[in-house]
Amino acid sequence: GAGVSQSPSNKVTEKGKDVELRCDPISGHTALYWYRQSLGQGLEFLIYFQGNSAPDKSGLPSDRFSAERTGGSVSTLTIQRTQQEDSAVYLCASSLVGGTRGTRGDTQYFGPGTRLTVL
Amino acid sequence: SQELEQSPQSLIVQEGKNLTINCTSSKTLYGLYWYKQKYGEGLIFLMMLQKGGEEKSHEKITAKLDEKKQQSSLHITASQPSHAGIYLCGAVLTGGGNKLTFGTGTQLKVEL
Repeated sequence: GAGVSQSPSNKVTEKGKDVELRCDPISGHTALYWYRQSLGQGLEFLIYFQGNSAPDKSGLPSDRFSAERTGGSVSTLTIQRTQQEDSAVYLCASSLVGGTRGTRGDTQYFGPGTRLTVL
Repeated sequence: SQELEQSPQSLIVQEGKNLTINCTSSKTLYGLYWYKQKYGEGLIFLMMLQKGGEEKSHEKITAKLDEKKQQSSLHITASQPSHAGIYLCGAVLTGGGNKLTFGTGTQLKVEL
C-alpha cells in the first residue's frame, strides 16, 4: 500500500511569512509524528498525535509552531512568521498503534520530507 | 550531551568489505530502530530490536542489541555501493514518551 506522503516536497519562503506543511499518514495508522532535521541539530522530535488524545507538543521549539490532525488522518504543521533558523527538512512519520513503548506496532514509517528554505 | 551516540560519524569502505556501526544509549532503551537515509530522501526502516540479545538480519545487514550495555550494532557484510547512505539509530528512551530519539548518524561511502 501507499506509504507516508508529504507536500510540498520543497518550499522556499521569505522571512516573516507563514507556511503550511502537509502529511498524509499510512492508512489505518493511529499515531503520527513530526520531526525536523537540520545540519546543526540532527533529527529532532516536534510533536506526536495518538488517536483522540491530546498531542504531545513537547518538542515544538516556539509558539510560532503549531500542528493539527483532522479526522485522525491528515496532519498540517504550520510555522508562523518564519525565521531563517526554521530552514530544515520536516519529516512526518506514522505508526500503527503508538502508545506502547518499543513494540512491533510502534515502528515509525517516514515520509520523504519537506525541505523548507527561509530566505 | 547526546542521549544516543553513534560511531563512527563517517566511514569509507571498499566494495566487498565488512563494516560495523555502533549506537550507544545513555538511558534505558524500550526499542531500538535502525533506519537508512539517502541524501534528500526520507528514512527507510531497516530493523527494530526489542529484547536483549536479539539479533535480526535482512539481506547482508545484521543488527544486534545488547540490552545490558544499552548498545546496538549494525553489521554489513560484503558491502556494495547500494549500501551507501546515512545510517541512523533511533530509540524510545526512558522519559521520552513515545517519540524516537535519534543518534547523529553514520555516513557510509562504498568505493568501487
